[in-house]
Amino acid sequence: KAGVTQTPRYLIKTRGQQVTLSCSPISGHRSVSWYQQTPGQGLQFLFEYFSETQRNKGNFPGRFSGRQFSNSRSEMNVSTLELGDSALYLCASSADGMGTEAFFGQGTRLTVV
Amino acid sequence: AQRVTQPEKLLSVFKGAPVELKCNYSYSGSPELFWYVQYSRQRLQLLLRHISRESIKGFTADLNKGETSFHLKKPFAQEEDSAMYYCALTLTGNQFYFGTGTSLTVIP
Repeated sequence: KAGVTQTPRYLIKTRGQQVTLSCSPISGHRSVSWYQQTPGQGLQFLFEYFSETQRNKGNFPGRFSGRQFSNSRSEMNVSTLELGDSALYLCASSADGMGTEAFFGQGTRLTVV
Repeated sequence: AQRVTQPEKLLSVFKGAPVELKCNYSYSGSPELFWYVQYSRQRLQLLLRHISRESIKGFTADLNKGETSFHLKKPFAQEEDSAMYYCALTLTGNQFYFGTGTSLTVIP
């Protein structure tokens, strides 16, 4: 069974630009959640999608958005990038999303310059 | 607000010594609690969860609702246990609240 795949692995963007990150969950998993990991704040929940609907949302500004497609693949978009958005972005998939094991991807390292 | 606290950022123990990684949470309900581990150059992965009450790689964790704690323990640490450990809770769905993590180093 293929694991959670995130693309790209590394990104360098300029302040003010926007970026789209992609996550392909494990086959059969319908829940995808996104996290931002920084040295100062640790792992922070961004949002969760389940069957193409956003089910939960963390405390991030509206510049952070996401979506999920019918094949459960998910994308996360950050608009008007700020230096503070530099982080490792992780996605996790789970089978039914109700407190079951979450499988994490390797992450996308975003650097904003 | 839900919060998970791991008081130790760094923890070093000698091989063969017992190890305990502390985790406290603040939530009045009944969350699901987990320990995730990240070995060097590997992705974050589940170590164990309280609902399954199992021992993985010699680690156990007991949920103490009175003290709102979920400490991770192992009686005899091994070098391969060196890793970053995260305590996490979930209330609903695939939304995890993580602690800031404890970096465990097992000294040979």
